[in-house]
Amino acid sequence: AQSVSQHNHHVILSEAASLELGCNYSYGGTVNLFWYVQYPGQHLQLLLKYFSGDPLVKGIKGFEAEFIKSKFSFNLRKPSVQWSDTAEYFCAVNPNFGNEKLTFGTGTRLTIIP
Amino acid sequence: EPEVTQTPSHQVTQMGQEVILRCVPISNHLYFYWYRQILGQKVEFLVSFYNNEISEKSEIFDDQFSVERPDGSNFTLKIRSTKLEDSAMYFCASTVWPYEQYFGPGTRLTVT
Repeated sequence: AQSVSQHNHHVILSEAASLELGCNYSYGGTVNLFWYVQYPGQHLQLLLKYFSGDPLVKGIKGFEAEFIKSKFSFNLRKPSVQWSDTAEYFCAVNPNFGNEKLTFGTGTRLTIIP
Repeated sequence: EPEVTQTPSHQVTQMGQEVILRCVPISNHLYFYWYRQILGQKVEFLVSFYNNEISEKSEIFDDQFSVERPDGSNFTLKIRSTKLEDSAMYFCASTVWPYEQYFGPGTRLTVT
């Protein structure tokens, strides 16, 4: 069974700072990788996804993530955060061969100080 | 853009009562899911549904839970006899390709 680790539980940054949130997964086969964001009081929204191809994927709102297969990692980055990025960020994986369930990490709460 | 919708947005029920949470997936999607998120915890998979049957279920999804797609558009989650620990946000999701899942806004279930 797959598992996902997000080691940063709460990150506090000032506006314009650079962001990197860690995500590591454990699974023996090929995976699809996702970052979802949950703004306060709202539902999960897809930020970006990796299925195959270029390991550097770009998502919405200036976010990007890099898949490093050798490290089983899919870290989320943004060069300059804004106050509106305050939210909970979830990394998720599912196996790359079907309609499998998503396995989520515990999430990282990001607080941006104006 | 098509969206997954869920009703009600908030349901309060007493312990031991039955609840039905409703979801309308995106119309051309074929795979359907329920997840839940207990306050402050991670999102957990409950069940997946395809071709009118359960594809996979987690250990959380015991005999008190059931799912149904009664009319080709709705997708429901029933909890027969709610417990305090069932209090959570329940999310429905759907997908057309078996990759990217679209989530609904959730139903907050409060069991008192």
